[in-house]
Amino acid sequence: QVQLQESGPGLVKPSETLSLTCTVSGGSISSYYWSWIRQPPGKGLEWLGYIYYGGSANYNPSLNSRVTISVDTSKHQFSLKLSSVTAADTAVYYCARRYCSSTNCYMWFDSWGQGTLVTVSS
Amino acid sequence: QSVLTQPPSVSGAPGQRVTISCTGSSSNIGAGYDVHWYQQLPGTAPKLLIYTNTNRPSGVPDRFSGSKSGTSASLAITGLQAEDEADYYCQSYDSSLSGSVFGGGTKLTVL
Repeated sequence: QVQLQESGPGLVKPSETLSLTCTVSGGSISSYYWSWIRQPPGKGLEWLGYIYYGGSANYNPSLNSRVTISVDTSKHQFSLKLSSVTAADTAVYYCARRYCSSTNCYMWFDSWGQGTLVTVSS
Repeated sequence: QSVLTQPPSVSGAPGQRVTISCTGSSSNIGAGYDVHWYQQLPGTAPKLLIYTNTNRPSGVPDRFSGSKSGTSASLAITGLQAEDEADYYCQSYDSSLSGSVFGGGTKLTVL
């Protein structure tokens, strides 16, 4: 059973860059798409982007190129960077895995981390 | 404002049946992209409930079922139980965004 665990600072100052890492254990990081999804307090889920283990990434265009996702297969980790943050970026950030069979990858998220709250405040 | 539209809340008494709708458009559900559903219990991460419109992962009770038609999808819960009280989210793919989209979420209250 794969497990995902987010880590990173819980407090980021406005205009700075938010950086989080997701560590994958109990399963392979290869042959999967890895995602970041966030949830502002009391609000719904927002997809931020995903990256294939080989390095190709896709991002939510609403974030205006502020987001970058990278993967380090040797460390079984993938990371999120969100630049120029404001209070609107305060949220619980989840890392998640898109389901892949032996032949195809699909769009649903079958494994999630527990989430980490990041607050943007001076 | 979410790309997929869900009712903010639904409620039902124990044992009853409730449905939660998820309305999209021609660039997502209407384009034939599949709909998936998640259950989020208070203070926890979302959990996959239904995938590819109608399929339940192992361990999800058959009280939960999904359907899709046209530009909309629905989640039905029969035999409501107190433990079903949670937020429910639909998710699909949107071709104009080239990525995943979620509904705004529906809070289910078991009366």
